[in-house]
Amino acid sequence: AQSVTQLDSQVPVFEEAPVELRCNYSSSVSVYLFWYVQYPNQGLQLLLKYLSGSTLVKGINGFEAEFNKSQTSFHLRKPSVHISDTAEYFCAVSSSGYSTLTFGKGTMLLVSP
Amino acid sequence: NAGVTQTPKFQVLKTGQSMTLQCAQDMNHNSMYWYRQDPGMGLRLIYYSASEGTTDKGEVPNGYNVSRLNKREFSLRLESAAPSQTSVYFCASGEDRGNYNEQFFGPGTRLTVL
Repeated sequence: AQSVTQLDSQVPVFEEAPVELRCNYSSSVSVYLFWYVQYPNQGLQLLLKYLSGSTLVKGINGFEAEFNKSQTSFHLRKPSVHISDTAEYFCAVSSSGYSTLTFGKGTMLLVSP
Repeated sequence: NAGVTQTPKFQVLKTGQSMTLQCAQDMNHNSMYWYRQDPGMGLRLIYYSASEGTTDKGEVPNGYNVSRLNKREFSLRLESAAPSQTSVYFCASGEDRGNYNEQFFGPGTRLTVL
């Protein structure tokens, strides 16, 4: 079985400040990890993914995430956020050989001026 | 390419009514998925179809049925709607990348059951 824990339900931050959204996962087999973003009243779009290789992955809109196998984490970071980054962010895991995703409960990023 | 489309965008039902949510994709993907999104719960998988002609239960299948009509279309039916089914429903299709599927999401259907 696989599961995802997003440790913060809401993260308030000021514009141009750095941010980290935390994600921990559990799985008994090799995993593939994803971060999705959901802007208000829209569907989900893929921000970035970790499949294998380099543990630091870069995504769209200046976001990056680091895979840490020993800590079973996949935290999302951005060095300087914009108002337009206000959205809900979901971490998800897929295990090798499975076609389904398991999502975390989401973290709402609130960027204020 | 329209990607994944869902109809309707909004729907209000009374308890006990039935309805079908429609989903179509034009990306020639084999797999399709139905999720529900509730505040504080993330997305939970209702049903999925790994290929045309097959369907499987996800985490929260009770009260729902699905039909994989053809490769493009995957519908979700509520036979007798209940207030607990008030939610936002997302359809997704999955591109086979070998050991995993990359999923693409539709815009969602907001359903309210009174």
